[in-house]
Amino acid sequence: DAGVIQSPRHEVTEMGQEVTLRCKPISGHNSLFWYRQTMMRGLELLIYFNNNVPIDDSGMPEDRFSAKMPNASFSTLKIQPSEPRDSAVYFCASSLHLRTNEKLFFGSGTQLSVL
Amino acid sequence: AQSVSQHNHHVILSEAASLELGCNYSYGGTVNLFWYVQYPGQHLQLLLKYFSGDPLVKGIKGFEAEFIKSKFSFNLRKPSVQWSDTAEYFCAVSSGAGSYQLTFGKGTKLSVIP
Repeated sequence: DAGVIQSPRHEVTEMGQEVTLRCKPISGHNSLFWYRQTMMRGLELLIYFNNNVPIDDSGMPEDRFSAKMPNASFSTLKIQPSEPRDSAVYFCASSLHLRTNEKLFFGSGTQLSVL
Repeated sequence: AQSVSQHNHHVILSEAASLELGCNYSYGGTVNLFWYVQYPGQHLQLLLKYFSGDPLVKGIKGFEAEFIKSKFSFNLRKPSVQWSDTAEYFCAVSSGAGSYQLTFGKGTKLSVIP
């Protein structure tokens, strides 16, 4: 099993540009999560999906952020327009089920730098 | 809303020293508790978890954690650390009911000196 795959590993962009982060969850996993990690705020849950349906997006910071899961094997997190304060590591994670005691499998993250 | 506090930002130990990393959570109901670890350059992975039963939980690589309900704590321990334990450790909590929400602490960086 290849694990959760995220791309790109690193993204450097200029303020105002659109940024798209991609995630492929582990095959057979029904739930997918997007997290953001910063020094100041630690790991924050942005949004999660169950069976491709967004369940809770209350962690998405602003309307500039959007996420989609068109099918069970792919999800995107888009920031448009990007700002320097969006610079962070963005993690995608998946789990077999949406249960509160379920183990999460994380991807390697995308390091985003907005100049 | 639930929250997690990790008391130490950075811990430095010599090899063979004993380790205890503090974690306190705030939530009055049933909780599930986790410790995740992030080795340098790698993704987060589960170290151990508690959701019911014996409050002393054993995880991988000789780690264990004890759930003390009265203290709202879930401290991570290891009797003798190795250089390879150098990593960042995250405590996390999810509530047993309602909407799914796994809340992480800000992490504790552990540096083990050979």
